[in-house]
Amino acid sequence: SAVISQKPSRDICQRGTSLTIQCQVDSQVTMMFWYRQQPGQSLTLIATANQGSEATYESGFVIDKFPISRPNLTFSTLTVSNMSPEDSSIYLCSVVQGSYGYTFGSGTRLTVV
Amino acid sequence: QQQVKQSPQSLIVQKGGISIINCAYENTAFDYFPWYQQFPGKGPALLIAIRPDVSEKKEGRFTISFNKSAKQFSLHIMDSQPGDSATYFCAASGSGNTPLVFGKGTRLSVIA
Repeated sequence: SAVISQKPSRDICQRGTSLTIQCQVDSQVTMMFWYRQQPGQSLTLIATANQGSEATYESGFVIDKFPISRPNLTFSTLTVSNMSPEDSSIYLCSVVQGSYGYTFGSGTRLTVV
Repeated sequence: QQQVKQSPQSLIVQKGGISIINCAYENTAFDYFPWYQQFPGKGPALLIAIRPDVSEKKEGRFTISFNKSAKQFSLHIMDSQPGDSATYFCAASGSGNTPLVFGKGTRLSVIA
């Protein structure tokens, strides 16, 4: 199955700033998924990133707040823009590979102060 | 609309006992049903998964039971150990490259 390297693993950011999270996969994958896990909560899908096209966002998430890039089949970034304390969460990327199922990155623990 | 409903929210089990977590889904297009285990500060890790062509799958102490007609599936942890104390998430997805939809999670505590 795929191995995902997600960076940074954690960060503490000032409100009003932006943070870009990177996910690098060791093999080519069609779709990459970005999730948010708020404290004590489940994983909520932010968007689906397909190489060469605009990401598809779930209800409640907008591109201006969470711009996503997908420049090739092994890499994607998620930016959390104009952050507020409510954005403090764990952000995870995920890929799916046929019979191997889904793999998750180790997550980025973001704290906004 | 919550597509995967998970219960209970929390569970306390004695060491050596059986932990049972249940999930129900609504979308009949779902055809992949995994369970994830998550420890504090870590990302979710795949524990075991099942597809609707079988009614049960066992891997070590972990068993998934699947009831297609009832649209329900459950995780059974036999001989529960303190090291099993974690949050467990059920999930579901459809065919192709579709994302997982998660239940709300169950916090399991196994006490000695």
